[in-house]
Amino acid sequence: AQSVTQPDIHITVSEGASLELRCNYSYGATPYLFWYVQSPGQGLQLLLKYFSGDTLVQGIKGFEAEFKRSQSSFNLRKPSVHWSDAAEYFCAVGYNTNAGKSTFGDGTTLTVKP
Amino acid sequence: GAVVSQHPSWVICKSGTSVKIECRSLDFQATTMFWYRQFPKQSLMLMATSNEGSKATYEQGVEKDKFLINHASLTLSTLTVTSAHPEDSSFYICSALGQGDEQYFGPGTRLTVT
Repeated sequence: AQSVTQPDIHITVSEGASLELRCNYSYGATPYLFWYVQSPGQGLQLLLKYFSGDTLVQGIKGFEAEFKRSQSSFNLRKPSVHWSDAAEYFCAVGYNTNAGKSTFGDGTTLTVKP
Repeated sequence: GAVVSQHPSWVICKSGTSVKIECRSLDFQATTMFWYRQFPKQSLMLMATSNEGSKATYEQGVEKDKFLINHASLTLSTLTVTSAHPEDSSFYICSALGQGDEQYFGPGTRLTVT
């Protein structure tokens, strides 16, 4: 069975600082990996996804993630955080291109200090 | 981009009553929609896959007679929580599958059963 671990429940960074959110997965085959962001009162929005090819994936809002098979990780990064990035972030792993039947991590809450 | 709406955004009902939650794809047709349940500070748990014109597929452990799903049109799926109890209180999120297997999430519905 597939599983996802987001080790950090809550992360606080200063505005302008760099950010890395960790995601580790367990899956027997080639995974399909997703990162979503959820702002209060809003639905989940897809930031980026990895299916195959280049292991460094660029997403929206200046986010990127790197797939490292040897470490079973898919960490999300952003070089300079903006106050509007404060939200809940979810990593998901699945076995096909749509995340519908994917397994989601428990999420990481990002707080941005002024 | 594609928009998915949910109605109501929040609802309070008495124990033993039923409540219906609507999920609409506003500017695209979706043959497949998903229903999730999200507990506080936890990840999304897939409840069922809703397919237009056919019966929903429920995940293991989800009572199909308690959580009735109807996907009567290409833009609307409904989730009815029957004979609701306080333990059914949760955040219910739907998503719709658009072109290219892109998944679009609704903003969620907060259900409180008193």
